[in-house]
Amino acid sequence: EVQLVESGGGLVQPGGSLRLSCAASGFTFSTYWMSWVRQAPGKGLEWVAYIAQDGSRRYYVDSLKGRFIISRDNANNSLFLQMNSLRAEDTAVYYCARSGYSSSWEPHEFDYWGQGTLVTVSS
Amino acid sequence: EIVLTQSPGTLSLSPGERAALSCRASQTVSRNYLAWYQQKPGQAPRRLIYGASSGATDIPDRFTGSGSGTDFTLTISRLEPEDFAVYYCQQYGSSPYTFGQGTKLEIK
Repeated sequence: EVQLVESGGGLVQPGGSLRLSCAASGFTFSTYWMSWVRQAPGKGLEWVAYIAQDGSRRYYVDSLKGRFIISRDNANNSLFLQMNSLRAEDTAVYYCARSGYSSSWEPHEFDYWGQGTLVTVSS
Repeated sequence: EIVLTQSPGTLSLSPGERAALSCRASQTVSRNYLAWYQQKPGQAPRRLIYGASSGATDIPDRFTGSGSGTDFTLTISRLEPEDFAVYYCQQYGSSPYTFGQGTKLEIK
């Protein structure tokens, strides 16, 4: 059974940093593109970043480039999101999601999602 | 950036009725890489449709996707009580991989 379990969320002050983690199991993690998607309270979904199977390619939504960094550890089946210079508008539930195809050269839609971790940026 | 506009914003229907949700793209979606998701309160989204018209595993046959280019539709042939939720379209043909703003399907 595919499982994605996020952790690392919490309350952080504006300007602070946070590192989110996603523990993957039930599939061959190293063969899938992985992504982060966020959802502000009461709002819609926003794609944040994608990372290729070997980490060689990373794509970000333009508004977050330079502040957020996506990475992965295939040996430990883990995905990460380093978030820096956090702002109130970064408050959201952050979901880890898997791309829909194994061994693809490009990312696809999201076929599995974690339950999310809440990040609150407030003083 | 491809902007996806979903309509209507809210759709009020009764169980047993047919629902048609629209997703219009500001540019052609490459290779019709368009997906639909369902999200219920407090839950993660669930994939329904990918590639504009391919049904995901374990998705009931009453959910169908259609369209190409810039105009896409999710049709629910006969609404069941568990279908009332928020639905999002997403394009993954080009970065940034944008979502529509969502359509809330509510019980009339």
